[in-house]
Amino acid sequence: DAKTTQPPSMDCAEGRAANLPCNHSTISGNEYVYWYRQIHSQGPQYIIHGLKNNETNEMASLIITEDRKSSTLILPHATLRDTAVYYCIVRVRQVGGATNKLIFGTGTLLAVQP
Amino acid sequence: DGGITQSPKYLFRKEGQNVTLSCEQNLNHDAMYWYRQDPGQGLRLIYYSQIVNDFQKGDIAEGYSVSREKKESFPLTVTSAQKNPTAFYLCASSKGTGLSGANVLTFGAGSRLTVL
Repeated sequence: DAKTTQPPSMDCAEGRAANLPCNHSTISGNEYVYWYRQIHSQGPQYIIHGLKNNETNEMASLIITEDRKSSTLILPHATLRDTAVYYCIVRVRQVGGATNKLIFGTGTLLAVQP
Repeated sequence: DGGITQSPKYLFRKEGQNVTLSCEQNLNHDAMYWYRQDPGQGLRLIYYSQIVNDFQKGDIAEGYSVSREKKESFPLTVTSAQKNPTAFYLCASSKGTGLSGANVLTFGAGSRLTVL
């Protein structure tokens, strides 16, 4: 699995967009980028994933650079409940039903301020 | 509602005792996983199971054991051989183990084990 680098913490004002960066410079062409978040003392929650194209769902948008060496998770209108640790994870496409072996780093603690 | 139930939420154990953490899912998922999280750290994979009656070691399997006798259940036993068992334990499941969008992990709420 490729290694990811995220800032340890970020602040965001309530109602503003939160942009969380992730570097994955060693990513290979068949690796997906996944984002999860973890609210204190709870299990991680899936947010979004992508391979090459930008993706959007009801929770967030994922912008992946053309060279795929970095990505940005965007929460369009952050609320206090979005305060959590956000994990950017990259894993390899493996043929034959190999495991979902996600490597979680230490993530980014996003603090949404009122 | 479908989901993953872990129990107990909090557990205290004396040194030298084995303890079993329960994980039950009603999502009809084939694959199940156990992760360990230490304070300020990411998640580390202990064991995983792709189908009933089959499981494989993850990155930190020493001192742990699992069973997968039913599709819905994947209990984790923390044995006395685990040298630092105090941690937050997370169970997860996925529909399969491929890489399509349907195979993202769904996590339980976690079990916090403290060894006294």
